[in-house]
Amino acid sequence: DAEITQSPRHKITETGRQVTLACHQTWNHNNMFWYRQDLGHGLRLIHYSYGVQDTNKGEVSDGYSVSRSNTEDLPLTLESAASSQTSVYFCASSETSGSYNEQFFGPGTRLTVL
Amino acid sequence: QKEVEQNSGPLSVPEGAIASLNCTYSDRGSQSFFWYRQYSGKSPELIMFIYSNGDKEDGRFTAQLNKASQYVSLLIRDSQPSDSATYLCAVRVPGGYQKVTFGTGTKLQVIP
Repeated sequence: DAEITQSPRHKITETGRQVTLACHQTWNHNNMFWYRQDLGHGLRLIHYSYGVQDTNKGEVSDGYSVSRSNTEDLPLTLESAASSQTSVYFCASSETSGSYNEQFFGPGTRLTVL
Repeated sequence: QKEVEQNSGPLSVPEGAIASLNCTYSDRGSQSFFWYRQYSGKSPELIMFIYSNGDKEDGRFTAQLNKASQYVSLLIRDSQPSDSATYLCAVRVPGGYQKVTFGTGTKLQVIP
């Protein structure tokens, strides 16, 4: 069955370190998204991609970067981790098909920055 | 004004009752509307999608869309304890292509 996976599921790191969160989908979807979820803020879009070599900034992109070298993967990098980036991170993917574009979510990565 | 607004709750309803969850949005040109359910510690999953004014029913769930008033609601009939979760409203706005904007979610508690 097609799925979307994230790794690691839990990560503790220190301020200033570079961290990369992996996202891998086997749906063969063109569209991939990274969100962070914090109490009181809901899901906020960090970066997204509509295809290989395409990346775009979302509403909370500062301090994050992504790259898309193939259809399956969209890794999220925190250049220099900050305590404000402690959050739960979700990756999602969707196909491009008219008005109906359900996003399928990965299980999430809980990141703690000390 | 936030693009998508929801009452954070918690909304408590007794088992068997109708739960009514509401969502308002600011961009009048918004096109598609989604309801996701998120259990504690889990990822969101789509339960309803609507893009035309009126009601759309799927089992115990009914989504209602009123574009003139800029709100979308989710009714859950015969609420069960297993419906206890946070419900996220998401809206696709004009020019957003495949992006959606999420509300902060409403926590629903169904009391046995």
